[in-house]
Amino acid sequence: SQQGEEDPQALSIQEGENATMNCSYKTSINNLQWYRQNSGRGLVHLILIRSNEREKHSGRLRVTLDTSKKSSSLLITASRAADTASYFCATVSTGANSKLTFGKGITLSVRP
Amino acid sequence: SQTIHQWPATLVQPVGSPLSLECTVEGTSNPNLYWYRQAAGRGLQLLFYSVGIGQISSEVPQNLSASRPQDRQFILSSKKLLLSDSGFYLCAWSEGGAHLYGYTFGSGTRLTVV
Repeated sequence: SQQGEEDPQALSIQEGENATMNCSYKTSINNLQWYRQNSGRGLVHLILIRSNEREKHSGRLRVTLDTSKKSSSLLITASRAADTASYFCATVSTGANSKLTFGKGITLSVRP
Repeated sequence: SQTIHQWPATLVQPVGSPLSLECTVEGTSNPNLYWYRQAAGRGLQLLFYSVGIGQISSEVPQNLSASRPQDRQFILSSKKLLLSDSGFYLCAWSEGGAHLYGYTFGSGTRLTVV
């Protein structure tokens, strides 16, 4: 079953603008991860944020986590046409042998 | 460095035919291995995972099976394909559990059952 629910389902922005994507989940988590998928390709791991962390940065990516609201956001600053892809959040629930559970993804289109 | 190979990239198979998709990982030992399926416009559904040779856990009942004959080899199989088996199949590995690390995915196999 899917735990993460991304919002919006699709996002279209102009190159240079910031893109903000949100993810909500239902159960307690160990960590939350964001992945990127170019059309017809495998997923690429972008960033992992643990439940005791509130914010993480990686290059133009900024991820926040609010465990009280069970939500996370992924911000891509100064977007580029090459950022066009689907973005997925995935959660790891607390407990032994937990695995990644993915949301349905957000389709981001960056217009040049 | 670690790499993951998945093949074939695309496959068209008739209903009722067998299936064998292979995934191999290089550059690491005793990885956790996973098979996911992605239906069009949907998220990823975990099908099988393995924490060691011969150890397979199934997440959903279905027409598919998985095997891990070697440490870095993970195979997805079916004896008789159904139309509903069509989809994008992704193999992934992680060093330890998901509570520690992210997953590294293969490039996927697009399976069309006709």
